Amino acid sequence: GENVEQHPSTLSVQEGDSAVIKCTYSDSASNYFPWYKQELGKRPQLIIDIRSNVGEKKDQRIAVTLNKTAKHFSLHITETQPEDSAVYFCAASKSQGAQKLVFGQGTRLTINP
Amino acid sequence: NAGVTQTPKFRVLKTGQSMTLLCAQDMNHEYMYWYRQDPGMGLRLIHYSVGEGTTAKGEVPDGYNVSRLKKQNFLLGLESAAPSQTSVYFCASTKAGGANEQYFGPGTRLTVT
Repeated sequence: GENVEQHPSTLSVQEGDSAVIKCTYSDSASNYFPWYKQELGKRPQLIIDIRSNVGEKKDQRIAVTLNKTAKHFSLHITETQPEDSAVYFCAASKSQGAQKLVFGQGTRLTINP
Repeated sequence: NAGVTQTPKFRVLKTGQSMTLLCAQDMNHEYMYWYRQDPGMGLRLIHYSVGEGTTAKGEVPDGYNVSRLKKQNFLLGLESAAPSQTSVYFCASTKAGGANEQYFGPGTRLTVT
């Protein structure tokens, strides 16, 4: 089955700097890659996703890149702000049928003022 | 429009007791999912359903049962709780077909002593 590895497990950056979180997946049939943000005690919320037919997607300060050949994808946050502090999870699934997401272990991002 | 709701929010069980977690969604979504989240780990899929009356096993189904008697509800049952089932349980739902956003409920924190 699918296996998703996420690095780093913790990341601390200065406010205004960029943050990058990387994930690798094992199943070449996976074609849907969402990223979720989870604040302490809250539910996961989708922040951006990418499908395997594109290599990059951007939404304001957040971007995701996908390398299908290498089977890895990354989350990029620019101009970080204190409210970006949270745990971020990557996930992978096939888009046909039920969306059985396999999650990475999570990255705790801390933005230092 | 409440989205995805879960009851109860918290529960403490003794080993061997049983309980049912209820998930309800008012978005008319076809697919529903149950995940568990343990400290330092991503979410893991327990069971899922692609429609009323249908259920299927996910990544970690042992010790759990589910039912989907109504389209808007997805129940997760623990017949004989074990300390290893101490976790935070999240329900989610999506529209059918393709790669659609999973909407998560607020979670249920379960402790088994």
